[in-house]
Amino acid sequence: KNQVEQSPQSLIILEGKNCTLQCNYTVSPFSNLRWYKQDTGRGPVSLTIMTFSENTKSNGRYTATLDADTKQSSLHITASQLSDSASYICVVSSYNNNDMRFGAGTRLTVKP
Amino acid sequence: NAGVTQTPKFQVLKTGQSMTLQCAQDMNHEYMSWYRQDPGMGLRLIHYSVGAGITDQGEVPNGYNVSRSTTEDFPLRLLSAAPSQTSVYFCASRVLAGVPETQYFGPGTRLLVL
Repeated sequence: KNQVEQSPQSLIILEGKNCTLQCNYTVSPFSNLRWYKQDTGRGPVSLTIMTFSENTKSNGRYTATLDADTKQSSLHITASQLSDSASYICVVSSYNNNDMRFGAGTRLTVKP
Repeated sequence: NAGVTQTPKFQVLKTGQSMTLQCAQDMNHEYMSWYRQDPGMGLRLIHYSVGAGITDQGEVPNGYNVSRSTTEDFPLRLLSAAPSQTSVYFCASRVLAGVPETQYFGPGTRLLVL
């Protein structure tokens, strides 16, 4: 069973709208949580990294939140652009930082 | 900096053939790793290295070998390709530190095993 579950699996929104992607995890003990953006045919690119003590982190129009008690994270995208069309991947690491568990990703399509 | 580079971009193999996927980074990162990405699944760790001369197995190591003779290079070898190894392979690198550091991925190698 995957220890990192993402929802929805796919999402279509109109340009300019906001959206929120969800990540639930069971990885323990928790060390940090990362969000990546992966364009089609490219490697993942880091958006945010949060440790146990952080509950929010922003990177431009991307804002990630973390609730370590409920083991949930979200990625909020504000004022979406066509270039936001990509897969967004949640990655959770345990205290052995070499053990990174990847979610299957949410495929976001932004339409004009 | 070129970052993390991978070659080739695409490869078609026949069952039983061998090949090496190349990975190089110019950021002097201690940690390098190989992942495979299959449809509907998250990236899975194949092998990783925390420095030259040190390698270890990840989640799905069977059928793959690695070596790390230099800090810059981390090749992945398929000794006898099987159709189950059809996938997209990503190499990644990062600094080894006490706090979480950004991990940089290469552009990927698409492998088809017939």
